[in-house]
Amino acid sequence: DSGVTQTPKHLITATGQRVTLRCSPRSGDLSVYWYQQSLDQGLQFLIQYYNGEERAKGNILERFSAQQFPDLHSELNLSSLELGDSALYFCASSVDGAGYGYTFGSGTRLTVV
Amino acid sequence: QQQVKQSPQSLIVQKGGISIINCAYENTAFDYFPWYQQFPGKGPALLIAIRPDVSEKKEGRFTISFNKSAKQFSLHIMDSQPGDSATYFCAASRFDNNNDMRFGAGTRLTVKP
Repeated sequence: DSGVTQTPKHLITATGQRVTLRCSPRSGDLSVYWYQQSLDQGLQFLIQYYNGEERAKGNILERFSAQQFPDLHSELNLSSLELGDSALYFCASSVDGAGYGYTFGSGTRLTVV
Repeated sequence: QQQVKQSPQSLIVQKGGISIINCAYENTAFDYFPWYQQFPGKGPALLIAIRPDVSEKKEGRFTISFNKSAKQFSLHIMDSQPGDSATYFCAASRFDNNNDMRFGAGTRLTVKP
């Protein structure tokens, strides 16, 4: 157990629907990162939050949004889902600042049918 | 966004052999280089990391070699075992600010018995 908790583990939904993925960071970590990993693809950075504030944005579609709550958990909202959104979505957390790697959760596997 | 190039995309090695994965980075401000190991269905996990003040770091069978002038670093897995079969990601960031970590595209390693 990495200490980063992601729910749900699996999600199957239809095109056009909206889903919410949840991430609880490791205790003490203020930064949360969201990544998308499609089949046989690398990790595509979506967005980062630090202590409730958006800090960096990557290749995140306008249909996707995220937020980080006062208790530091984060949610990634995916709307108007398309077949191509099927992927593994990972959350990672880190201690902000010097010399720390990221701790990843086990991911949410999203299947859009 | 991609500033770290990783090769090869896939690698097959016999048990007991040496696995070598290479990465190159562009941003000279990067001074923290971690490697992540990802097993199927799991999130990436930090394996080993290096800073440019040393040219090599070894942890068990895993060694990072670093060439600052060439802006390249590599992961060597000695005496490769079937249990090492996984996807490996290199990454790079600033040591004093890990908020902008860039990942390579990943290498799928298969170690044949």
